[in-house]
Amino acid sequence: QVQLVESGGGLVKPGGSLRLSCAASGFTLSDSYMSWIRQAPGKGLEWVSYISSSGRTIYYADSVRGRFTISRDSAKNSLHLQMNSLRVEDAAVYYCVKWQDDGANLKDWGQGTLVTVSS
Amino acid sequence: SSELTQDPVVSVALGQTVTITCQGDSLRTFYVSWYQQKPGQAPVLVVYGENRRPSGIPDRFSGSRSGNTASLTITGAQAEDEADYYCNSRNSGGSHWVFAGGTKLTVL
Repeated sequence: QVQLVESGGGLVKPGGSLRLSCAASGFTLSDSYMSWIRQAPGKGLEWVSYISSSGRTIYYADSVRGRFTISRDSAKNSLHLQMNSLRVEDAAVYYCVKWQDDGANLKDWGQGTLVTVSS
Repeated sequence: SSELTQDPVVSVALGQTVTITCQGDSLRTFYVSWYQQKPGQAPVLVVYGENRRPSGIPDRFSGSRSGNTASLTITGAQAEDEADYYCNSRNSGGSHWVFAGGTKLTVL
């Protein structure tokens, strides 16, 4: 059974950094398409980043490109999101999500980790 | 601004049929997927592709597409279907994914 558990959220000042982690179980993360999706409090969903199963294709939303970096650790079966130069508008619940095996739909979601950006 | 648009609020009487729509130019090229989100919970994939449902999703949920508009239909809405619904697809260029703003469904 697929399980995704995010961690690393918390309170950070504008301009600061955080590293989110997603521990995966029930499947091999390095064989899977993965994404980070975020949701600001009371707002809708926003796609943030994507990494292909090969790791050779990585995409970012325009709002985070150049500040966020997605990566994975095959040995630990984990996904990460390094977030630098954080802004107030980056505050959100961040979900780690596994795509279906065909890479077409967001199938399995973690419960999310909350990032608060405030001075 | 989102490249996909949904009506923000829709209501349906218990047991009746409701359709939630999603519009966007990219839907002429790419399939849409639909997600249900209840308060305090992570989203759940309910419909995708050419009208397919993941295992465990009731068959009262169905999807369709015509031109630049995709639709999620709930036939015989139940109280437990009250939730926010989001459509998602690729952007026109295919290198990003976008969500519409979501539809809050109320079951009366």
